[in-house]
Amino acid sequence: GAGVSQTPSNKVTEKGKYVELRCDPISGHTALYWYRQSLGQGPEFLIYFQGTGAADDSGLPNDRFFAVRPEGSVSTLKIQRTERGDSAVYLCASSFPQLTGELFFGEGSRLTVL
Amino acid sequence: AQSVAQPEDQVNVAEGNPLTVKCTYSVSGNPYLFWYVQYPNRGLQFLLKYITGDNLVKGSYGFEAEFNKSQTSFHLKKPSALVSDSALYFCASPSGSARQLTFGSGTQLTVLP
Repeated sequence: GAGVSQTPSNKVTEKGKYVELRCDPISGHTALYWYRQSLGQGPEFLIYFQGTGAADDSGLPNDRFFAVRPEGSVSTLKIQRTERGDSAVYLCASSFPQLTGELFFGEGSRLTVL
Repeated sequence: AQSVAQPEDQVNVAEGNPLTVKCTYSVSGNPYLFWYVQYPNRGLQFLLKYITGDNLVKGSYGFEAEFNKSQTSFHLKKPSALVSDSALYFCASPSGSARQLTFGSGTQLTVLP
């Protein structure tokens, strides 16, 4: 498709389980971002990829969170030992890196940890 | 480092009336400022940005924003609101590595028919 695609759109899991969230960016966009949006708040930055490498992962809250982008296109956000506080909408965005701030967002993956 | 604040959680306006959604910023250096909109069950969409140049920036869907350096503000405006403009609006600015966008807390705009 033409936009950023995120799967699954909804994920319900139990505390302590492992979760993977997938993002398929717009073709040709070399920059990819993950954000997290909790209810009633603005999105919070998690990690930024330029190509295959994580150029800035300073927003990852702890070592339970990890993201990869092995071929410079699709990215996977991985959360180990999920906690109830991880419940949020996880947003992926992509862009041309030279266009500062002009991000194209997917519709998000809503994660609920019971 | 830059940060933004949205002082209003909720703004209500009648259809056809002008609308303003407020954003203030704090910055060291020249500000880069952005507005995004989030429609129900849709992803965030870029509306407009201020980098440098004219203080009045025009964006998508008839929206514009006015950069005011003396008041450190970047308010979003539209001359005539539509019911379809009802959505959640976020002001944003880069921080950290400049690839991080820091978003405000959001303002829910409701346009009443």
